[in-house]
Amino acid sequence: DSGVTQTPKHLITATGQRVTLRCSPRSGDLSVYWYQQSLDQGLQFLIQYYNGEERAKGNILERFSAQQFPDLHSELNLSSLELGDSALYFCASSDRGGYTFGSGTRLTVV
Amino acid sequence: TQLLEQSPQFLSIQEGENLTVYCNSSSVFSSLQWYRQEPGEGPVLLVTVVTGGEVKKLKRLTFQFGDARKDSSLHITAAQPGDTGLYLCAGLKEYGNKLVFGAGTILRVKS
Repeated sequence: DSGVTQTPKHLITATGQRVTLRCSPRSGDLSVYWYQQSLDQGLQFLIQYYNGEERAKGNILERFSAQQFPDLHSELNLSSLELGDSALYFCASSDRGGYTFGSGTRLTVV
Repeated sequence: TQLLEQSPQFLSIQEGENLTVYCNSSSVFSSLQWYRQEPGEGPVLLVTVVTGGEVKKLKRLTFQFGDARKDSSLHITAAQPGDTGLYLCAGLKEYGNKLVFGAGTILRVKS
């Protein structure tokens, strides 16, 4: 157990739908990062939150949004889903050092 | 185009052999990290190197950061089947606050 908890582990949904992925960072970590991992793109940075505020944005689509709550857990919202959104979505937290990743959510859009 | 280029993309070797994985870039990084990822799991941090020329050892794994902080290598001595996995390098750019990952090297060690 890395200390970073992601739910759900698997998600299967239809095109056009909306889903929410949840992440609880390691205790004490203020930063949360979201990454998308696909076979052809590798690990791509989506967005970072630090203590509730957006800190950095990467290759995140406009259909995707995220937020970090006062208890520091974070949610990644994916809407108008397309087949190409099928991927592993990872959350990571850090305390200035290396990142600690969760086990990911495998999203399959059918 | 990847900011960090890893090579080789895939490596299949016999138990006991040595191997080196390379991570190259034209950009300077304030630090570089190596991760190992197994199927169905998230990447796990192996090491962080921050000083140009730095060498770190983790049992049979040796990590080196280039003098100019643009490249790194991971050398595994006497590879074992348990070393099988996806090895990822990731760099933190100067004045940046997000890690950029290479595409990874898939290592398979056969017994």
